[in-house]
Amino acid sequence: AQTVTQSQPEMSVQEAETVTLSCTYDTSESDYYLFWYKQPPSRQMILVIRQEAYKQQNATENRFSVNFQKAAKSFSLKISDSQLGDAAMYFCAYRSIWGGSNYKLTFGKGTLLTVNP
Amino acid sequence: DAGVIQSPRHEVTEMGQEVTLRCKPISGHNSLFWYRQTMMRGLELLIYFNNNVPIDDSGMPEDRFSAKMPNASFSTLKIQPSEPRDSAVYFCASTLPGQLQETQYFGPGTRLLVL
Repeated sequence: AQTVTQSQPEMSVQEAETVTLSCTYDTSESDYYLFWYKQPPSRQMILVIRQEAYKQQNATENRFSVNFQKAAKSFSLKISDSQLGDAAMYFCAYRSIWGGSNYKLTFGKGTLLTVNP
Repeated sequence: DAGVIQSPRHEVTEMGQEVTLRCKPISGHNSLFWYRQTMMRGLELLIYFNNNVPIDDSGMPEDRFSAKMPNASFSTLKIQPSEPRDSAVYFCASTLPGQLQETQYFGPGTRLLVL
């Protein structure tokens, strides 16, 4: 079974600064999907960014980018020019490419990000 | 386009009562997931439907939990009888396999409190 580990329960960053959230995962599969979701106090789960394991190029979405290291099974999220609205719980998630029960997302425990003005 | 719709958004009930949570997936999505979020266990999958058929219900805690998807636009998660340990946020998510890296789009969640 796959596992996802987020080793930083909490992080803080100054507004306009850059912060990196860590995520590692364990899998025996060669192809899969990785996601970062944001959960603000409203509890809504919002997709931030996604990455296919077969793509070597790191995904980027505006101020959000990832550092995907397949051999190391690492998938960190970098937030540049942090804004107050970025304050939230961030979840790293893994999904197999195979169907059936593997369609489920396996989540890490989350990292609570605080943005200081 | 409307996202995943869940109702109610908040539910407070007493132990022993029946609770029904509802979900309307994004139109055209044919896979639907129910997740539960608690402080102790984080986010965990309860059950997954594909084309209205339950594919994996191994995450359903016990017989008190049941889920149905009578058609492509509606699903329910029922707890009968409810217990205080069922208190959690329940999320519904939908996806269209083969599209957009299989991204699952989540509803706003139902916050359930069982007294």
